[in-house]
Amino acid sequence: DVKVTQSSRYLVKRTGEKVFLECVQDMDHENMFWYRQDPGLGLRLIYFSYDVKMKEKGDIPEGYSVSREKKERFSLILESASTNQTSMYLCASSPGTSDTDTQYFGPGTRLTVL
Amino acid sequence: GQNIDQPTEMTATEGAIVQINCTYQTSGFNGLFWYQQHAGEAPTFLSYNVLDGLEEKGRFSSFLSRSKGYSYLLLKELQMKDSASYLCAVLDSNYQLIWGAGTKLIIKP
Repeated sequence: DVKVTQSSRYLVKRTGEKVFLECVQDMDHENMFWYRQDPGLGLRLIYFSYDVKMKEKGDIPEGYSVSREKKERFSLILESASTNQTSMYLCASSPGTSDTDTQYFGPGTRLTVL
Repeated sequence: GQNIDQPTEMTATEGAIVQINCTYQTSGFNGLFWYQQHAGEAPTFLSYNVLDGLEEKGRFSSFLSRSKGYSYLLLKELQMKDSASYLCAVLDSNYQLIWGAGTKLIIKP
């Protein structure tokens, strides 16, 4: 079974803090994704990566950055957290063997910025 | 713009059948996914359709009509554990997933 893990299920931070969200997958997947999920909205893509040290902006990259130094790990960084970044953050990975790969999700991190 | 529409919430009775609709307008089409997401948990894959017609998988079936920009997820013999949100997502011409907001399904005894 594919396993995608995220470093924290719940996180509370203060405005202006630097926040790191870690995601690890154990199935040697090529592709990794970071989404945020807010009530009434669909999943929105923040950043994605198709290879180590490679990153592409998604639909809402402002205020975020990412790092992929190793194939299995994809980190999301909030350089200076703001209250409008309070959300559920979901990491996903997919094999990268075809354009129609299924994405597998981690359990999510619910981030609250005070 | 790209748009995925699905009802916000539906209610059904245990043992019954429910159909969750999804309509889409996207730049290109390379397939449609349905995911299930229980409260506080990760979305999990249910089905993928790229050709017109019905795909059956146990109690769950998914239908696609590309000419109408329409899909539905059919759940039969509903169980309490089917209470969850159901997410529709379309793969566009750039192979990017466009997500609907999800349909919250409430099952009553």
